[in-house]
Amino acid sequence: DAGVIQSPRHEVTEMGQEVTLRCKPISGHNSLFWYRQTMMRGLELLIYFNNNVPIDDSGMPEDRFSAKMPNASFSTLKIQPSEPRDSAVYFCASRGLGGLTDTQYFGPGTRLTVL
Amino acid sequence: AQSVTQPDIHITVSEGASLELRCNYSYGATPYLFWYVQSPGQGLQLLLKYFSGDTLVQGIKGFEAEFKRSQSSFNLRKPSVHWSDAAEYFCAVSNAGNNRKLIWGLGTSLAVNP
Repeated sequence: DAGVIQSPRHEVTEMGQEVTLRCKPISGHNSLFWYRQTMMRGLELLIYFNNNVPIDDSGMPEDRFSAKMPNASFSTLKIQPSEPRDSAVYFCASRGLGGLTDTQYFGPGTRLTVL
Repeated sequence: AQSVTQPDIHITVSEGASLELRCNYSYGATPYLFWYVQSPGQGLQLLLKYFSGDTLVQGIKGFEAEFKRSQSSFNLRKPSVHWSDAAEYFCAVSNAGNNRKLIWGLGTSLAVNP
């Protein structure tokens, strides 16, 4: 299995620009999570989906952030407009059905720098 | 509310020494508990997890953890640390039910001296 795939791996943009981060979960997994990691705040859950439906978006910082999951194999996290304080590493993780497959599998992350 | 505390922000040990990383949780019911490791520039990888049964859980890379309900703890241990174990370690707790999500500690950074 290829694991969770994220793109791009690195993104440098200027303040005010739109940024789109992409995630392909592990095939067959039905839950997908978007996290943000910074030195100051650690690992924060932004939003998660079950069966392509957003379940909890309470971690989304503000209206500038939006996430979609149009199908079981693809999700995007969009920031518009971006700000320097959005600089962080963004992780996507996927999870199969419950029980022994309760583990979240993480992608390699996207390092975002907003100048 | 659920929470996870990792009291040690940073730990340094010598290669070959034993290791214990502390994790305390706050949760009303029986928790699902996890330890993840993050190597520099990498995503997080599951080391081990506890759902039920034997309170001593074995994981990958020679790690183990013990669930102690009376102390609300789930400490991670390794008898002999290798230089490649230098990384960030995260403890997490999950609720039960269909809409499960992980509550994360802030992590413990492990440095290994040669």
